[in-house]
Amino acid sequence: NAGVTQTPKFQVLKTGQSMTLQCAQDMNHNSMYWYRQDPGMGLRLIYYSASEGTTDKGEVPNGYNVSRLNKREFSLRLESAAPSQTSVYFCASSEDKGTGGLWSGDEQYFGPGTRLTVT
Amino acid sequence: AQKVTQAQTEISVVEKEDVTLDCVYETRDTTYYLFWYKQPPSGELVFLIRRNSFDEQNEISGRYSWNFQKSTSSFNFTITASQVVDSAVYFCALILLDSGGGADGLTFGKGTHLIIQP
Repeated sequence: NAGVTQTPKFQVLKTGQSMTLQCAQDMNHNSMYWYRQDPGMGLRLIYYSASEGTTDKGEVPNGYNVSRLNKREFSLRLESAAPSQTSVYFCASSEDKGTGGLWSGDEQYFGPGTRLTVT
Repeated sequence: AQKVTQAQTEISVVEKEDVTLDCVYETRDTTYYLFWYKQPPSGELVFLIRRNSFDEQNEISGRYSWNFQKSTSSFNFTITASQVVDSAVYFCALILLDSGGGADGLTFGKGTHLIIQP
């Protein structure tokens, strides 16, 4: 199992450019998440998808869009990059559904991260 | 809105000392999970422990132990006989059940940078 994979690992963009960060998991997890990590700020939730076909905003969604392409894949798009979006981006997944579809609050498995610089 | 506070920004101790990392959380929900994650210098996030709001038992795993107290909304983490390899940033996090029956994402504290000196 590869777990959670992210591409690319590094990216430099100019202000105004667009790009999509890709995330895939092979653990058959229901929920997927995108976080950003900035120095001294911890990780902050951008968007999440509790199940295939659903997405919801997190704490810092402005400037981003997401697509839950299927159960495995959850992409994050920056339509017009800004220097404030310079950050390390982490994708995560979790099972979150136990017996009978009840929420099980499982741990999240994180990808290796994408370091994005916007100049 | 929920909040997680890790008041210790950085802690530096000498190897073999015991060290406790503090975590205080705020939420009005009665159903939630608390987590600790480790982020070593290589940057990946490593899951350490998960505890639900109905289970206040303390836990010990080798040199690691966790103390969960709902009365003080705290979930502290102690490393006994610290080692240089324990040097990392440690994050405490909280997750709530959303209205759709899924999880609404982790709320992280800002992390504590633990430095273990040889």
